Amino acid sequence: GAVVSQHPSWVICKSGTSVKIECRSLDFQATTMFWYRQFPKQSLMLMATSNEGSKATYEQGVEKDKFLINHASLTLSTLTVTSAHPEDSSFYICSARGQPSGYEQYFGPGTRLTVT
Amino acid sequence: SQQGEEDPQALSIQEGENATMNCSYKTSINNLQWYRQNSGRGLVHLILIRSNEREKHSGRLRVTLDTSKKSSSLLITASRAADTASYFCATVAADRGSTLGRLYFGRGTQLTVWP
Repeated sequence: GAVVSQHPSWVICKSGTSVKIECRSLDFQATTMFWYRQFPKQSLMLMATSNEGSKATYEQGVEKDKFLINHASLTLSTLTVTSAHPEDSSFYICSARGQPSGYEQYFGPGTRLTVT
Repeated sequence: SQQGEEDPQALSIQEGENATMNCSYKTSINNLQWYRQNSGRGLVHLILIRSNEREKHSGRLRVTLDTSKKSSSLLITASRAADTASYFCATVAADRGSTLGRLYFGRGTQLTVWP
């Protein structure tokens, strides 16, 4: 149980285009989903926290208008990288928490974004 | 910063040996978690230890927590080549004012186990 999927697993796009990444909890309802960014051989950097039905909370330094997050249902959150640039190339990972008081997070397999 | 810091950054051992990774953090925590990440993949939750616990076991994993020193260790016994991965500690702050369940990750330890 507690499986989180991400789609796509990798994507290559041209500079200036937008890319949408989906994060789904497959067998549980995720009240909260987190979006992380990870550079090679680095730790995970939290970008934003999204709660179903409400606006995402962004971490300091993360541009809200560039990284659009929508958590429309208890099983789906999306991250849209708008007007992507090469510096947005990274590994994006989502995680989901099923219970309001639960501390374990279940991570998706990640999405490798390359902007050319 | 509440971010945890792992030590060492890289560890290379032979199969059958034990691997010990350490994690230090700066603020009061509710719990501390250890995760594993294979190259280019997502994270897998290994174990959670609460602030009022001192030691926890799960299979070949043993985690200790010393809140007075703000440190934790992960011991993998009888390591296998398949244990090769990056290992991260992550803390959940005790401060209820912060986002509930928000994880603060350390930089990770890259473990390589040679057959």
